[in-house]
Amino acid sequence: SQTIHQWPATLVQPVGSPLSLECTVEGTSNPNLYWYRQAAGRGLQLLFYSVGIGQISSEVPQNLSASRPQDRQFILSSKKLLLSDSGFYLCAWSTQGTEQYFGPGTRLTVT
Amino acid sequence: AQSVSQHNHHVILSEAASLELGCNYSYGGTVNLFWYVQYPGQHLQLLLKYFSGDPLVKGIKGFEAEFIKSKFSFNLRKPSVQWSDTAEYFCAVNASPPGSARQLTFGSGTQLTVLP
Repeated sequence: SQTIHQWPATLVQPVGSPLSLECTVEGTSNPNLYWYRQAAGRGLQLLFYSVGIGQISSEVPQNLSASRPQDRQFILSSKKLLLSDSGFYLCAWSTQGTEQYFGPGTRLTVT
Repeated sequence: AQSVSQHNHHVILSEAASLELGCNYSYGGTVNLFWYVQYPGQHLQLLLKYFSGDPLVKGIKGFEAEFIKSKFSFNLRKPSVQWSDTAEYFCAVNASPPGSARQLTFGSGTQLTVLP
């Protein structure tokens, strides 16, 4: 069966520091991968999605970037964190034309 | 661009009460519709989905939803809620062409609190 992992589960970082959040999927090949940010009362906002290695689409301009170095690995990064980057980050996967499955998320607090 | 509206931000019910959570979307073409649930401290998980066919779909834990195309709605229902249904519920829609990444657009969520 398929599983999705995210780490770290929680992270506290100072303003201006770099960020790297990792997401990996097991049990499937060539998935679509997604990064979302969840804010209280605002639902989930899609940040990036990828249909293959090295293929990244950005949905909103921001301080973050994403990369997909391997088929089942998706990384969310920042060179310099802002206070406004605090939030709950979710990774998800799907195969074409199906529902998305979500990871456990990373709670990021920028201080 | 597609959008999803969940008008009830917080719903409080007593056990055994009936539940209906509203979801409306804006898109004139073919859509796939989903309800996701996030129990306290747990992953966001799929509750039910509609792709085509019977507009009344049944999901896990006794939930069902009805797709009414003319009303652009996909309301979630449960005849008798339990304390364990306390969670946040998200409606989502995708209207991307087949073969694309089929991004989901989510509503803002409804927090359901069931009192024992």
